[in-house]
Amino acid sequence: DSGVTQTPKHLITATGQRVTLRCSPRSGDLSVYWYQQSLDQGLQFLIQYYNGEERAKGNILERFSAQQFPDLHSELNLSSLELGDSALYFCASSQGGTTRGETQYFGPGTRLLVL
Amino acid sequence: DQQVKQNSPSLSVQEGRISILNCDYTNSMFDYFLWYKKYPAEGPTFLISISSIKDKNEDGRFTVFLNKSAKHLSLHIVPSQPGDSAVYFCAASVDFGNEKLTFGTGTRLTIIP
Repeated sequence: DSGVTQTPKHLITATGQRVTLRCSPRSGDLSVYWYQQSLDQGLQFLIQYYNGEERAKGNILERFSAQQFPDLHSELNLSSLELGDSALYFCASSQGGTTRGETQYFGPGTRLLVL
Repeated sequence: DQQVKQNSPSLSVQEGRISILNCDYTNSMFDYFLWYKKYPAEGPTFLISISSIKDKNEDGRFTVFLNKSAKHLSLHIVPSQPGDSAVYFCAASVDFGNEKLTFGTGTRLTIIP
């Protein structure tokens, strides 16, 4: 158990809909990262938040947005969903985001299926 | 454009023997490399890392080798155990940082008892 929790575990929805994925980082961790893993692909970095502020951005679609709240949990919002958004979405956390070489601890992921 | 490549989708190794997982990268700016292990229905778990100032890092049964001129790294597991059966991801980052890890597509390792 990494200490990172993600809800829900599974989500089935229809094209055009909007969903929210939630992540609670490990106790004391200030950085939260979101990754997408599509079928047979590696994990693709989407976005990082550090202590409530956006810190780094990857190939995140404009239809996707995220935020980190004062209690440090984070939400990833996916809107106007398309079939190709079906994937595993992982959240990870690390202590500070400022120390080089910090380990990222991953949650179990949310499996999203868009029908 | 796959900047981190794991060309072997799967690998089977006898228990007790050495497992060697390979990873190639194209971005010469990468200077920090990591291996993660993933079991089904779980998130990836950090295994071992190496910075570009080293060519080898060892942690128990796990050793990572880095060949910067070839842009190649490998993970050696000796001896292999049944619990090592998992998907292994190679990842890389720039500036020794941990933001924006770039992952390979993974290699599924199966240890045969």
